[in-house]
Amino acid sequence: GQQVMQIPQYQHVQEGEDFTTYCNSSTTLSNIQWYKQRPGGHPVFLIQLVKSGEVKKQKRLTFQFGEAKKNSSLHITATQTTDVGTYFCNAGGTSYGKLTFGQGTILTVHP
Amino acid sequence: IAGITQAPTSQILAAGRRMTLRCTQDMRHNAMYWYRQDLGLGLRLIHYSNTAGTTGKGEVPDGYSVSRANTDDFPLTLASAVPSQTSVYFCASRPSGLRVETQYFGPGTRLLVL
Repeated sequence: GQQVMQIPQYQHVQEGEDFTTYCNSSTTLSNIQWYKQRPGGHPVFLIQLVKSGEVKKQKRLTFQFGEAKKNSSLHITATQTTDVGTYFCNAGGTSYGKLTFGQGTILTVHP
Repeated sequence: IAGITQAPTSQILAAGRRMTLRCTQDMRHNAMYWYRQDLGLGLRLIHYSNTAGTTGKGEVPDGYSVSRANTDDFPLTLASAVPSQTSVYFCASRPSGLRVETQYFGPGTRLLVL
């Protein structure tokens, strides 16, 4: 399967600060998806990026797909306590084969 | 049933015992997956099934087996549990024929092997 590395593993921020997590692959990806998992919960789909250089926004969340389609980022502006959780990227595009998740970034937001 | 369900919610199991984790979805998704989640290691794929009647090995298949007799059910069996299989197990499904490859996750099974 495709290998994706996600950094950082942990991030602690004060409420109101920005947050970014990065997902990097050694191979070109067909698409990439982002998921959020609240503490004690299960991963929930956020978005899929397909095109080179694509940028999508969901309120305070901005998702980017690199020009070479080998990396992606999730940026949260002005974090809130509701943003707490683990954010995962997932390398897709292998049809029904093995899909590879990054290790996840655990975000803690201090009020 | 709405979506994807897993049973049991949690389980304490003695080492050496056999255990089957159940997963059922009512969305008629072709693809289904089993992951284990351990702190610092993220989600690791155990086994997958692209369609009923077929299965495949993921990253960490040893000690686990699966079957896919029909579209809805994808049970995961631990033949002889060991403490290293203590983890949270998530089942997921994915529809076919769509541009967006969303995976839908079940609520998880928390397993403690002593």
